[in-house]
Amino acid sequence: DAKTTQPTSMDCAEGRAANLPCNHSTISGNEYVYWYRQIHSQGPQYIIHGLKNNETNEMASLIITEDRKSSTLILPHATLRDTAVYYCIVRMNRDDKIIFGKGTRLHILP
Amino acid sequence: EAGVVQSPRYKIIEKKQPVAFWCNPISGHNTLYWYLQNLGQGPELLIRYENEEAVDDSQLPKDRFSAERLKGVDSTLKIQPAELGDSAVYLCASSLDRGHEQFFGPGTRLTVL
Repeated sequence: DAKTTQPTSMDCAEGRAANLPCNHSTISGNEYVYWYRQIHSQGPQYIIHGLKNNETNEMASLIITEDRKSSTLILPHATLRDTAVYYCIVRMNRDDKIIFGKGTRLHILP
Repeated sequence: EAGVVQSPRYKIIEKKQPVAFWCNPISGHNTLYWYLQNLGQGPELLIRYENEEAVDDSQLPKDRFSAERLKGVDSTLKIQPAELGDSAVYLCASSLDRGHEQFFGPGTRLTVL
């Protein structure tokens, strides 16, 4: 079973920051938080991952709370192409299986 | 660089018929995965190959599903016979090896009538 809880869907206006929350209250000390997204008719795509510290790359930022029980994926300037299902996943490391939940369906509104 | 290639993209068959899906991973990727994705759900792992060896097939329904990865490159997933409940998207992914990130193909959407 997925170890994370995410809202079923969210809306965000184009050009604004999209903030996608994820709860992972049972995360253990050596488990990472990974984010993937799946655009319609495509396979999932890796976005970002982190352990404790906040992370940023060219696609997004990941903010992990100090107790590590929740995190937020931030898309700083959402575009229509960011409309997708976003999956928050807890994994031991890259060797570990990816167990997808149902994710959050993000709609970017023009 | 070409991504993971899957064919066909769509397949419609009648129940009890056989069906096969083909996957060509990214060149040089030793690890290959097949996933099943039901409507409204996230993908679920069916089988993982390290080169030509199936090292994790615990979720593959072996009574009707089979897979092979001859020569450790392309892979084929087969269902025989197909059932109505097999209607889903079948995704293939590859990674350089198990410790590297997975790259997914676009999937094959199967409809069983």
